[in-house]
Amino acid sequence: GAGVSQTPSNKVTEKGKYVELRCDPISGHTALYWYRQSLGQGPEFLIYFQGTGAADDSGLPNDRFFAVRPEGSVSTLKIQRTERGDSAVYLCASSLSGTGGAVYGYTFGSGTRLTVV
Amino acid sequence: QKEVEQNSGPLSVPEGAIASLNCTYSDRGSQSFFWYRQYSGKSPELIMFIYSNGDKEDGRFTAQLNKASQYVSLLIRDSQPSDSATYLCAVKFNSGGTSYGKLTFGQGTILTVHP
Repeated sequence: GAGVSQTPSNKVTEKGKYVELRCDPISGHTALYWYRQSLGQGPEFLIYFQGTGAADDSGLPNDRFFAVRPEGSVSTLKIQRTERGDSAVYLCASSLSGTGGAVYGYTFGSGTRLTVV
Repeated sequence: QKEVEQNSGPLSVPEGAIASLNCTYSDRGSQSFFWYRQYSGKSPELIMFIYSNGDKEDGRFTAQLNKASQYVSLLIRDSQPSDSATYLCAVKFNSGGTSYGKLTFGQGTILTVHP
């Protein structure tokens, strides 16, 4: 596709449930980033993939959060035992390379709005 | 803790005026600087990047970088009501030689351009 695609666009789940958020990057982009944006705040870095491997997962808040990118394309962010504090917009971005992302920035997908009730 | 600071505003300017948005950052070794625009309910949209001291112009937008003062700004000339949005400053910090685009964002400045 022409841009980064994220699904679902909205997700409402009950506290304690498991959720998966999907990101389909721009074709050919090896670098993929996940961010989380809470209301009134800027996006916060969660994790960076270079190819299939998570090169930097320092932003994941705790071990309930996990992300994979098994074939170096689509990535899934997984949240176990969701809590109300996990409610936020989860944003994904991709760039041709990690260095390219550092110099030229990148474009975000439209995001997944997660609401935990 | 590496930080990016922005005045949350709101900043209100009349149509046709120059809007000036400011951002400071904590790490003198920072490498690249970005301005994103975010309309309400939408994702951030990259509008400018800069990595050298001085000015960079793109249409009505000018990014200004002063690494000595750890300061980056965005000027919007001939402001239009359609420029009303939240403007996010983002910084690529120098983090132990990492070369990928891990960005730290400020909280954003709300800009309102009134007719």
